[in-house]
Amino acid sequence: DTGVSQDPRHKITKRGQNVTFRCDPISEHNRLYWYRQTLGQGPEFLTYFQNEAQLEKSRLLSDRFSAERPKGSFSTLEIQRTEQGDSAMYLCASRLEKGRKTDTEAFFGQGTRLTVV
Amino acid sequence: DAKTTQPNSMESNEEEPVHLPCNHSTISGTDYIHWYRQLPSQGPEYVIHGLTSNVNNRMASLAIAEDRKSSTLILHRATLRDAAVYYCILRGGAQKLVFGQGTRLTINP
Repeated sequence: DTGVSQDPRHKITKRGQNVTFRCDPISEHNRLYWYRQTLGQGPEFLTYFQNEAQLEKSRLLSDRFSAERPKGSFSTLEIQRTEQGDSAMYLCASRLEKGRKTDTEAFFGQGTRLTVV
Repeated sequence: DAKTTQPNSMESNEEEPVHLPCNHSTISGTDYIHWYRQLPSQGPEYVIHGLTSNVNNRMASLAIAEDRKSSTLILHRATLRDAAVYYCILRGGAQKLVFGQGTRLTINP
């Protein structure tokens, strides 16, 4: 297994355009997370999935953002009508949730760097 | 989400031990203490986690205070590759990881 992979690594788009990012988690991992990170800040939580179910969305995830994980495997994050403030690194992570009596580590991808011009 | 407090930055020398502190006075009984680090231009990387007892792995050691209100990440022999931002995070139950600002560690050759 090569870990969590994200595509593309870099994306430059014009303001107002739509963009879609893909995340392929580690194959047996049931949890998938999306984060956003701007320069000099720690990653900010956006949303997460348990298999195909989206269980939590941050208030940061405006109506222009949508995430899916259709078959409980890969996930996509779409941003519609991009704005300059959307410029950031978008990180995906996955982990195997085993229940409350134990805890496991999350594995992060390299991220997709979005620049809106 | 329970909050952690870390120094903004620390500096150490190569081949010396590094002790990175973290305060978490509002920790609950079910919160695990996680440490992740982020090297420049990379995604965060898991370092170690623990609940009550001290933990060791190939990367580091985690020393947890008896009252669990603080912890220390110990890098036994720092290398230049350990220069990164280190995040101390509390995670309870099914909650997501909530990152703070972390500690930027600089290693001097």
